[in-house]
Amino acid sequence: EAQVTQNPRYLITVTGKKLTVTCSQNMNHEYMSWYRQDPGLGLRQIYYSMNVEVTDKGDVPEGYKVSRKEKRNFPLILESPSPNQTSLYFCASSSPGSEQYFGPGTRLTVT
Amino acid sequence: SQQGEEDPQALSIQEGENATMNCSYKTSINNLQWYRQNSGRGLVHLILIRSNEREKHSGRLRVTLDTSKKSSSLLITASRAADTASYFCATDAHNNAGNMLTFGGGTRLMVKP
Repeated sequence: EAQVTQNPRYLITVTGKKLTVTCSQNMNHEYMSWYRQDPGLGLRQIYYSMNVEVTDKGDVPEGYKVSRKEKRNFPLILESPSPNQTSLYFCASSSPGSEQYFGPGTRLTVT
Repeated sequence: SQQGEEDPQALSIQEGENATMNCSYKTSINNLQWYRQNSGRGLVHLILIRSNEREKHSGRLRVTLDTSKKSSSLLITASRAADTASYFCATDAHNNAGNMLTFGGGTRLMVKP
């Protein structure tokens, strides 16, 4: 089954404790993205990747890092999480110019 | 920055009625996409309409695109309670890289049985 998976689905952590949210897709898509969704602000893109070893900033990249060492994986790294990074995070993948396939989301709370 | 803006922000209708949601955007686009999201879940792609297309259908969904007005509409006909969800438009801008989509704030649709 074609899908995008994210782990963990839920995470509660404390300020400053480094965390990684994994994302994996099995559709051989070149493009992968990370979004955060906040009430009243909609979805905003954090980082995207056009292919292996090619990543670029989206609209709200501050406080986040990504890597794309393999085509199927695109982890999101928060080196020192802060409470303003409490949000619902989505990973997505796509082929160029086509619709995006979204993961189920990761609900992160930073206290 | 939000490229797409949906209107209305919330819509409540009775089952069987039609629901129309509108989206306006600011810059030239390659395509415009509509997504659906059930509460707290991932987004599901509904329809992609390219800049050279004016109308597209998929089952009970009809999407129109007017590039001169930089607007699109999503019509759901004969709505069902299961259509209750948030609907988002997203634009793939002309000068875009990396298939970066810009999402609007969404329309929350409630269909009452």
